[in-house]
Amino acid sequence: AQSVAQPEDQVNVAEGNPLTVKCTYSVSGNPYLFWYVQYPNRGLQFLLKYITGDNLVKGSYGFEAEFNKSQTSFHLKKPSALVSDSALYFCAVRDGDTGNQFYFGTGTSLTVIP
Amino acid sequence: KAGVTQTPRYLIKTRGQQVTLSCSPISGHRSVSWYQQTPGQGLQFLFEYFSETQRNKGNFPGRFSGRQFSNSRSEMNVSTLELGDSALYLCASSLRGAGGETQYFGPGTRLLVL
Repeated sequence: AQSVAQPEDQVNVAEGNPLTVKCTYSVSGNPYLFWYVQYPNRGLQFLLKYITGDNLVKGSYGFEAEFNKSQTSFHLKKPSALVSDSALYFCAVRDGDTGNQFYFGTGTSLTVIP
Repeated sequence: KAGVTQTPRYLIKTRGQQVTLSCSPISGHRSVSWYQQTPGQGLQFLFEYFSETQRNKGNFPGRFSGRQFSNSRSEMNVSTLELGDSALYLCASSLRGAGGETQYFGPGTRLLVL
């Protein structure tokens, strides 16, 4: 079965500090991995994705994520957090072999403290 | 290019009624997916349409249905509403819904069932 786990419901970080939002996944085939961000009363906004190639993926607004096949993880990172990064973050996976639906995690609420 | 649009943005219904939500994808996108978002559950996949055909379906009761028109616009219908159907309903579009394509989300329709 395919699934995504975001083990932390809430992450707090001080402004200027590095941030990490964790994601682990389970798929039977090759994983296609995505990160989205959701601001209040808005839809999801695409941040970055891993399909193939370099394990370190760079995305919008200074975010990056590292694909780790052995640990089946795709953690989202940013070197220096901004207050405006406070939002709800979703990790998603799609099985690259079957091409079926996206599976989303339950989301991690990030709060950057000024 | 205009983004994904959803109408209406807000709806209040009572138990037992039915509701129809509309989604217009990004121009040129032929795949439309629907998700239900509730606190603590994250995004639950409802169904995906491509070229007017339902291609994938999530684990929701038959009260939830959808369709896609020749211009790729999509509607979803929920009949015999229950209190538990209160949620944010998100629509996402992509070119063909294939593999590593990014899904782009609309702002959502917030449904409240009283």
